[in-house]
Amino acid sequence: NAGVTQTPKFQVLKTGQSMTLQCAQDMNHEYMSWYRQDPGMGLRLIHYSVGAGITDQGEVPNGYNVSRSTTEDFPLRLLSAAPSQTSVYFCASSYGLDGTGELFFGEGSRLTVL
Amino acid sequence: RKEVEQDPGPFNVPEGATVAFNCTYSNSASQSFFWYRQDCRKEPKLLMSVYSSGNEDGRFTAQLNRASQYISLLIRDSKLSDSATYLCVPPGGASGGSYIPTFGRGTSLIVHP
Repeated sequence: NAGVTQTPKFQVLKTGQSMTLQCAQDMNHEYMSWYRQDPGMGLRLIHYSVGAGITDQGEVPNGYNVSRSTTEDFPLRLLSAAPSQTSVYFCASSYGLDGTGELFFGEGSRLTVL
Repeated sequence: RKEVEQDPGPFNVPEGATVAFNCTYSNSASQSFFWYRQDCRKEPKLLMSVYSSGNEDGRFTAQLNRASQYISLLIRDSKLSDSATYLCVPPGGASGGSYIPTFGRGTSLIVHP
């Protein structure tokens, strides 16, 4: 069982570059979300989606875009990377349409912006 | 007041000890809550889900205190392998019809020989 797959696992960017973090799940979950985790800050919600074609902002959406064209995929785009976006990014999905079920996380993507 | 607050610790305990963590929350619309465990540099994984006032699973007991708005996790007979960060997801509220899980900062537990 693949579960939630994130790529890449590690990435180094220069300030101003753009990139996309990929997230795919094979559990037919409607709810998907992106979090970032910084030391001492816990998990902070960036964007989330409750189904294909539906996305919304979380707590820290600035500098990130998302789209949900299929149930399986939920990519996170960094438009113009900044050092403040250096973080560990986790994608998570849930079977609950309202996110009340167990969250299944990907292994994380470690991003460094120089 | 922050939506979810946890004591970051670390809680440093010997093997065999009993340790308890609390997590206070400010939004109380939902019945369910969760505790996740996160090992160093790994993704969080579900430890316990609770759909009422409490749940017990082996050495772990989770409880909800609605009046005081906190949830707790009790670990009995601590093992070295229990060393991790414990994240709470308290009962949440609806936001435009959707409940969005909100995580606490996590409490670090270190169990030593």
